[in-house]
Amino acid sequence: QVQMAESGGGLVKPGGSLRLSCAVSGFTFSDYYMSWIRQAPGKGLEWISYISDNSGTKYYADSVKGRFTVSRDNGKSSLYLQMNTLTTEDTAVYFCARWQLDRFDYWGQGALVTVSS
Amino acid sequence: DIQMTQSPSSVSASIGDRVTITCRASEAIDNWLAWYQQKPGKAPKLLIYRISSLQNGVPTRFSGSGSGTDFTLTISGLQPEDFATYYCQQANSFPLTFGGGTKVEFK
Repeated sequence: QVQMAESGGGLVKPGGSLRLSCAVSGFTFSDYYMSWIRQAPGKGLEWISYISDNSGTKYYADSVKGRFTVSRDNGKSSLYLQMNTLTTEDTAVYFCARWQLDRFDYWGQGALVTVSS
Repeated sequence: DIQMTQSPSSVSASIGDRVTITCRASEAIDNWLAWYQQKPGKAPKLLIYRISSLQNGVPTRFSGSGSGTDFTLTISGLQPEDFATYYCQQANSFPLTFGGGTKVEFK
């Protein structure tokens, strides 16, 4: 069955960096576009990035553009999110999700990122 | 950017009730509308896509309707496991956007 697991979350100081990973299994990773979505504590869902199957197309939300970079390694069935210049507003649970044409059909369990001094 | 506005933000209901949640897009989004259910501490779960198509394994008491800018998620016969927060999401254009959520609470 489809499994997706984020890792790399933790506590980081403002201005710092962190790299999230999402390891997937149960489907052919290279066939699917992927996304990162986050959820600040007690808040709603915010889509933040998207990457095509061959990494040729990437989109970002304005809130993270220029600071976050999405990438993938199809050989390792893994998705990544490099997060730089973090602020307290980036504190959230970060989910990786599989994009199926027009919806997110599978999600990871989430990784908590806390930005605090 | 397309704004997605859900109403109400919360609703109190009892087992067996019919619950209706509305989602309004700031511009027409064709049929690119999905609904998700999220329980505390868990990842969202896809319920419905393309306005009214039920995701595999989702109970048929969940249904979706609408067109253009106005959409509805209906739960017909609320069950204990349905108490959760529900989000709509548009896929018409980037940035992909979600509604603010509707929390279904026990009356």
